[in-house]
Amino acid sequence: GEDVEQSLFLSVREGDSSVINCTYTDSSSTYLYWYKQEPGAGLQLLTYIFSNMDMKQDQRLTVLLNKKDKHLSLRIADTQTGDSAIYFCAEGSGGYNKLIFGAGTRLAVHP
Amino acid sequence: DTEVTQTPKHLVMGMTNKKSLKCEQHMGHRAMYWYKQKAKKPPELMFVYSYEKLSINESVPSRFSPECPNSSLLNLHLHALQPEDSALYLCASSQVAGGDTGELFFGEGSRLTVL
Repeated sequence: GEDVEQSLFLSVREGDSSVINCTYTDSSSTYLYWYKQEPGAGLQLLTYIFSNMDMKQDQRLTVLLNKKDKHLSLRIADTQTGDSAIYFCAEGSGGYNKLIFGAGTRLAVHP
Repeated sequence: DTEVTQTPKHLVMGMTNKKSLKCEQHMGHRAMYWYKQKAKKPPELMFVYSYEKLSINESVPSRFSPECPNSSLLNLHLHALQPEDSALYLCASSQVAGGDTGELFFGEGSRLTVL
């Protein structure tokens, strides 16, 4: 069945790069997404990547996709305290869309 | 306007009460969703409406009753809930057209506590 897995926790020093990893099982997924959730808030889409791409860069964010291994990563350059949040990886098929979310990775940024 | 607005932000109800959660978007999206999120867990899909018609019901108990009065509004009617239904209820919307990225826009959520 469909499954998305992530490591649960990551701690980084302010200014360093953060790399959050995700694996998924549904090879028919058209899009892969990264959402950010701050405490007590809803989910905010950070970025997405189309399944026929292997990299996407958007300011401090870099998404890498290894379709063969079904592995997705999110790199945040120059991590700031405001980046502390839970990051969810999700897979979907675009359009009217049933997203499957991973468990979320809690990113803690310390001075 | 790229917002999904949910009310109320917090709701406390007893197991015999009837209450409703409301969601509104003015982005012209024709798909709207209810997700349930328990603490330290990912959101789980409950319902999807597409063009105001219920398209997906993820085997949700009948004590949760969704309603889509028009393309901008989505309600979730609650009746005879259990304490284990306490969670953050997230509304989202998206475009429906094929080929779109399927980005979901989420509201801030309604935090429900059932006593």
